Amino acid sequence: QQQVKQSPQSLIVQKGGISIINCAYENTAFDYFPWYQQFPGKGPALLIAIRPDVSEKKEGRFTISFNKSAKQFSLHIMDSQPGDSATYFCAASEHTSGTYKYIFGTGTRLKVLA
Amino acid sequence: EPEVTQTPSHQVTQMGQEVILRCVPISNHLYFYWYRQILGQKVEFLVSFYNNEISEKSEIFDDQFSVERPDGSNFTLKIRSTKLEDSAMYFCASRVGGGIINEQFFGPGTRLTVL
Repeated sequence: QQQVKQSPQSLIVQKGGISIINCAYENTAFDYFPWYQQFPGKGPALLIAIRPDVSEKKEGRFTISFNKSAKQFSLHIMDSQPGDSATYFCAASEHTSGTYKYIFGTGTRLKVLA
Repeated sequence: EPEVTQTPSHQVTQMGQEVILRCVPISNHLYFYWYRQILGQKVEFLVSFYNNEISEKSEIFDDQFSVERPDGSNFTLKIRSTKLEDSAMYFCASRVGGGIINEQFFGPGTRLTVL
């Protein structure tokens, strides 16, 4: 029940296209859903995050769509650029645990072709 | 901009040896974490630390692991007797705490290679 399932494992998109990465969870106590971007040899960096009281959050070219009833959330990268090529991790945490530890998805390796 | 720093960037050790991985969290943060990422796999939670004690640990965090905040700025992860399967990237993270801000800031990681 603590798992976060992420798909696809890898994704190749043409420059200017839309990249879509999906995540699903089981634990309804999760109340914070961040997306992290990781470049090779670097630590994960927060890209955008959402709470379950909203269905969508947009920051620049990045949008999270959240479907509470389906227990799914997704990251959309509009106008994808070669510089977006990285590994993307979704995660979830719950404040009731007290620690707010993250449960990460398995990651999606995105490659944007120039 | 404040950031989490980690040293060393790469540590090579022999099986059975002790290693200490060091982290300097962001100065006003109160919650500290260690995660690990085995090559090509997802990032996994190891332990969280608050108010000078462990607040939660995962099944991975067995008796061979310990954490410490020795001097109010550093946060360390010690592995007493390393095993081959401990080879991974180890990430330190910190969070300011309080309110509803859950963002964790991650360091660049320490790559641990156990031979």
